[in-house]
Amino acid sequence: DAMVIQNPRYQVTQFGKPVTLSCSQTLNHNVMYWYQQKSSQAPKLLFHYYDKDFNNEADTPDNFQSRRPNTSFCFLDIRSPGLGDTAMYLCATSRGRTGGALDQETQYFGPGTRLLVL
Amino acid sequence: AQSVTQLDSQVPVFEEAPVELRCNYSSSVSVYLFWYVQYPNQGLQLLLKYLSGSTLVKGINGFEAEFNKSQTSFHLRKPSVHISDTAEYFCAVSVRLTGNQFYFGTGTSLTVIP
Repeated sequence: DAMVIQNPRYQVTQFGKPVTLSCSQTLNHNVMYWYQQKSSQAPKLLFHYYDKDFNNEADTPDNFQSRRPNTSFCFLDIRSPGLGDTAMYLCATSRGRTGGALDQETQYFGPGTRLLVL
Repeated sequence: AQSVTQLDSQVPVFEEAPVELRCNYSSSVSVYLFWYVQYPNQGLQLLLKYLSGSTLVKGINGFEAEFNKSQTSFHLRKPSVHISDTAEYFCAVSVRLTGNQFYFGTGTSLTVIP
């Protein structure tokens, strides 16, 4: 089945120790997103890639970076995690605007990576 | 500016009773509308969506929602809930002009009581 996969599902890291979260998709979608979701809150968009074009949200801290080496993979790098970065990190994909095709906007989410910073 | 309001942060309901989770949005342009469900420690699963056409949309697990343009609402309903419906429910709006940007509501925690 086509899907969005995130690894690892759970990650524990120490304060200040860099961490990388991985997302892959078999949907061949153009757009990939990273969200941060803290306890009992809605997901908050950090950034997204439309193909190779990177779009950063204005309030995303510089501590958060992303890479998309190819269509299928996207990584979230947290350079120096703080205690406040403890959260669920969600990856999502969408088809994007492709010649007027329908259902360009629906976002499909992975299972998430729960990050704990100690 | 766009915003999404989920009026009820917590909704307790007895098993087999009907439920309605409310969602209102504000936008000056046309939108796409979505409901997602999130079970504990999992990602968001798409329940249903409104893109165009019939304003009554049916989704998975027996849920349905009705788009009401005049009231700018997209309430989620189920005629008879099960214990397994206990989860967090998020309403989301995508603005047609900007495409990729999703605006999420703050979520409604549905608890089904045996």
